[in-house]
Amino acid sequence: EAQVTQNPRYLITVTGKKLTVTCSQNMNHEYMSWYRQDPGLGLRQIYYSMNVEVTDKGDVPEGYKVSRKEKRNFPLILESPSPNQTSLYFCASSLSAGGRGEKLFFGSGTQLSVL
Amino acid sequence: GESVGLHLPTLSVQEGDNSIINCAYSNSASDYFIWYKQESGKGPQFIIDIRSNMDKRQGQRVTVLLNKTVKHLSLQIAATQPGDSAVYFCAENIGGSARQLTFGSGTQLTVLP
Repeated sequence: EAQVTQNPRYLITVTGKKLTVTCSQNMNHEYMSWYRQDPGLGLRQIYYSMNVEVTDKGDVPEGYKVSRKEKRNFPLILESPSPNQTSLYFCASSLSAGGRGEKLFFGSGTQLSVL
Repeated sequence: GESVGLHLPTLSVQEGDNSIINCAYSNSASDYFIWYKQESGKGPQFIIDIRSNMDKRQGQRVTVLLNKTVKHLSLQIAATQPGDSAVYFCAENIGGSARQLTFGSGTQLTVLP
C-alpha cells in the first residue's frame, strides 16, 4: 500500500531535549516536505526536499533541521525544542515538485507537546 | 503577506442536505486551487482542484466554484453523508510547484443524523 509513515504519532517532551520525528514513503517520490498545523493558521511549510541531498527552508524553518540522505526518508529534527513548537506535524511527498499539490500524499501526523 | 482564509470555522448540516464551504483568497496571482479533506487523526487528502481559467469543476458529489472577481472559492457537497464529517480546507498555488502551496485554516463540517 502506498503511504507516508510518520513516527511517533504522539510525543510529549521537555524544553531542550533533542528529538527526531521520522518520515518514510514507499512510493519512490522525489519531493518531500514537512508542515506544521496550528489552530487558525493552517498548514505552514517548515522544510522541503526536491531530491536526495537537496533540502531548502520553507516558511517557518527556525528551530528545525532536516536531512535527506535516502530518497525514502526525510526526518525532522528539533535540536532544542521549545514550547512554541508544540504543534501537529505532517510529512508529505509527491512524485516530483513539478506537481501543483494535487499529488501530495500526507502522513497521519505527529502531535508534539513541548513542556 | 497574503493568505488564504475561510469564512466560518464550523458548519453543521443534516444528513442528506447539501453543504457549502467557503474560502476567500487575497492573492490575485494565484492560478490554481485545491480543496483538501482532513478526517480526524489522518492527514489531508486531495478532493478536487480548479484552475483559474475555469469557473466551475465537478467531481463525484463535489463541485468547486471559483469567483475571481471577488476572490472567492467554494466547495459544494451534494447529499452530505456521515463520512463527509471532517475538516475541509482550501489551498492556493502560485508558481506551479507544490513548494508554493498556501493553505487555509479549515472548516469543521459536522453531519447531523
